[in-house]
Amino acid sequence: EPEVTQTPSHQVTQMGQEVILRCVPISNHLYFYWYRQILGQKVEFLVSFYNNEISEKSEIFDDQFSVERPDGSNFTLKIRSTKLEDSAMYFCASSLRTQQFFGPGTRLTVL
Amino acid sequence: AQSVTQLDSQVPVFEEAPVELRCNYSSSVSVYLFWYVQYPNQGLQLLLKYLSGSTLVKGINGFEAEFNKSQTSFHLRKPSVHISDTAEYFCAVSDQAGANNLFFGTGTRLTVIP
Repeated sequence: EPEVTQTPSHQVTQMGQEVILRCVPISNHLYFYWYRQILGQKVEFLVSFYNNEISEKSEIFDDQFSVERPDGSNFTLKIRSTKLEDSAMYFCASSLRTQQFFGPGTRLTVL
Repeated sequence: AQSVTQLDSQVPVFEEAPVELRCNYSSSVSVYLFWYVQYPNQGLQLLLKYLSGSTLVKGINGFEAEFNKSQTSFHLRKPSVHISDTAEYFCAVSDQAGANNLFFGTGTRLTVIP
C-alpha cells in the first residue's frame, strides 16, 4: 500500500540555523500539506500546495517558512532561521481529493 | 473559519466497556468531518470520515461516528474497547471547497484500563 514518507525522523539543530524537512507524497496525489504539532498540543495546519504553488497558508507560516516541490516526487519544508519555538513534530500529508494521508512525521528539536 | 472542540482531554475506560469521544465543530460553510488516531510516537491514521450521505459512518477497528448537523457534532463511539485502543484521538474538519485543509481539535487521550 502506498504511503507518505518523511526524512529525517528526528532533526536536531541550533537556533538560527536553516533546516529542510523532506517528504515523499503518494505518487498520484495532487494536494500536499504541512502540519505541525508542538509537544502536548493539537495538530496545526501550516500550508497547502497544489499545482506547484501555495494554495493556502496559516498565520504560523511566516516569511521564515517556504515550501518547494523540486522534482516530481519530493515536497520540502524549509525553515530559514530556526527559533526555539519551532521545536515540534512536523507532519507531511498528501491527498488526491478529500482524504489526506499523513507521513510518520519529523521531530524537530531546536537548541 | 472552522474550529473544533473536543471537551474531554482524557477519557479512562475499562476494557470491554463502551466509549464515546465527543467532538463539536463550528463552521460557516459545509464541512467534511474526520477522526484520526495517533498511537505513541507515530503519525496520524484515519479512523473514519463523513463526506456526505448516511450520517452514521463506520471506520476501522470497530469505531463509528454519527454526524448531527443540528447539534454540529460528530461523536466517536465504540461498543467495546480493547487495550490496543489506548491512543490520542483527534477530530478534524475541512471545508468542502479549496484545498481541504484540516483543522484539528485538541485531542482526547483514551486510556483503556485492563
